[in-house]
Amino acid sequence: QSALTQPASVSGSPGQSITISCTGSSRDISSYQFVSWYQQHPGKAPKLMIYEVSVRPSGVSNRFSGSKSGNTASLTISGLQTEDEADYYCSSYTGSSPLWLFGGGTKVTVL
Amino acid sequence: EVHLEQSGTEVRKPGESLVISCKGSGYTFASYWIVWVRQMPGKGLEWMGIINPSGSDTRYSPSFQGQVTMSAVGSLSTAYLQLHSLEASDTAMYYCARRVHSGDRGGQFDYWGQGTLVAVSS
Repeated sequence: QSALTQPASVSGSPGQSITISCTGSSRDISSYQFVSWYQQHPGKAPKLMIYEVSVRPSGVSNRFSGSKSGNTASLTISGLQTEDEADYYCSSYTGSSPLWLFGGGTKVTVL
Repeated sequence: EVHLEQSGTEVRKPGESLVISCKGSGYTFASYWIVWVRQMPGKGLEWMGIINPSGSDTRYSPSFQGQVTMSAVGSLSTAYLQLHSLEASDTAMYYCARRVHSGDRGGQFDYWGQGTLVAVSS
């Protein structure tokens, strides 16, 4: 299976909202609620930001939200802040080998 | 506090093999599967496979089947990733992560190790 498809980059000004899309197929995103999003700052390990499409782990800002429609999931960051500048990866469970897929990653730039 | 501690940077020559370790602490190791993720320089995350905490069940990505071996020793709270017959293209950061889920399928990766850098060069 191919990786999930994300835009290479998204940018926005402080205070604005941005949305990152993640497109999969009927075998992954469409079929399961196990879509998650990870934030990775340079030189750091990924951090779980959203799981099960729209659930925020404890400690993650409510400026981060997730949704899904059909075979596309989305991560929205509202009230963009400089510390949000990072790479973001979506992931989906597939139920078959490979059991999980990652997206190619989206670089978020705060202008 | 949950923590996954990985072994340090490795430098190897082509054809050699190596083992990376991932030791869990601050939680019941026996209750969570461990996944391994590769990140090549400047590239994205790639899911390599998953292993149960006793080491009795592994699921590999077809992209890595035969190239790596995952194992775990529950009594040591440690998972291992063995890389075979290394090539320059195996140069990457390798992460372990804990899989958390509410059922027997799916889930997400809530805690990550700091990563182990592997460099393969002649």
